[in-house]
Parts: sequence; structure tokens; C-alpha cells
Amino acid sequence: GAVVSQHPSRVICKSGTSVKIECRSLDFQATTMFWYRQFPKQSLMLMATSNEGSKATYEQGVEKDKFLINHASLTLSTLTVTSAHPEDSSFYICSARGLVGGGTEAFFGQGTRLTVV
Amino acid sequence: QKEVEQDPGPLSVPEGAIVSLNCTYSNSAFQYFMWYRQYSRKGPELLMYTYSSGNKEDGRFTAQVDKSSKYISLFIRDSQPSDSATYLCAMTTVYNQGGKLIFGQGTELSVKP
Repeated sequence: GAVVSQHPSRVICKSGTSVKIECRSLDFQATTMFWYRQFPKQSLMLMATSNEGSKATYEQGVEKDKFLINHASLTLSTLTVTSAHPEDSSFYICSARGLVGGGTEAFFGQGTRLTVV
Repeated sequence: QKEVEQDPGPLSVPEGAIVSLNCTYSNSAFQYFMWYRQYSRKGPELLMYTYSSGNKEDGRFTAQVDKSSKYISLFIRDSQPSDSATYLCAMTTVYNQGGKLIFGQGTELSVKP
């Protein structure tokens, strides 16, 4: 399958600071990227969907001013958690979808464990 | 009621057992059904993908979809300790660039040597 690289895998930050998470599709062009949040022993909750070159579409209840998403190119999307607070601590996962081998499967990054102290 | 229901487990089986994982759903518009495997602190990886009703087999894994009952299953034959992971079902109405995946909460599986 195609490779999606997410960086960093773990980050600890102080309350009030901002954190940027990168998601790259390494061997295919990702026209759509999805950002998820996952709490321990819970499912993936979709936060937002972004298409290259356009504004992200946020799910209900997700603060777009707090979770800034940029999908500037066909291989890179970033999620910035602004003014992070301890309740933002979670596992964030990106997923990229594009034409790979004729299909339109979605491939996941390895996730980023964010801890806000 | 959640759109997709999945028993979170945990499920513990001995090595070599047949494992049955299941999800039920409420949205009859779902047409594409997927099973993902997620190891601890990693992103999910796609195991099986099925369109509409029917069975699909890939090695030790078999996916079944029964749209009339709104019920999907994943069977793992000859389970191995390396199969220990969380298994997530996911489904969508439209499997293209914009189709959102709706996930079950995942079933934690442990295969004991």
C-alpha cells in the first residue's frame, strides 16, 4: 500500500503554546486528507476533511480557529493546535486519499501522541 | 444510537482459534465496508474492503457483509499472536475522494501463545 508519513510521532508542549503536526503522502498525490482524533480505547473521530487548495471542512463541534488545517500541496497537510490546553491531549491521526493503483483507498499515518502539560 | 456499533471487547483467544469480529450499523445507505487493524500507538492499516453484500477472502481473513441485517463480520482463521491488535470496522456511503468513513469503536483482540 501507499505510505503516509506523520510527524512528529510524539510531542509534549506547555499549555498555551501551539503545536504543528505534518502529514505527508510519500508516493502518491493526496487530493483529500482527513484528520482524526482518538481517545484511549475509543474510535476515530473525524475532525475535518481538506482538499488540496481549498479550505477544510470541519465536523460539527470542532473549533476551526483552534485546529487550523492547511492542505497547501498534493503531498502535505498540516494540523496546528493553537493555544493548546490539557484537554487537547489526544492521539491525532491523518489519512490521505488519492489515486493509488487505480483505486481511491485511504491510507493512514502512524499518528501523533500530543500531551499538553 | 451510534451509526456503527462494535463490541469493544477485550477478546482473548488461544493461538490457532477462529476469531469472529462483528459490527452492526443503522444507515442503510452504507455501501462500502472496511476492516482496519490498529496496533498500539500506531495508525490503522486497511485489511479488507468490501462493496455491498457478500464475502471476500484474503489469506486467513474473510469479510462478510449482510446488508439486509445491517451486519458485517471479519473472521480470522488460525489466529496468531501477531494478530493481537484493535480491529476497527468502517463504512461509507460513497467511496471516493469526499466519502467520510464512519468507524466503530474497535475491538481489542489478544491472541495468547
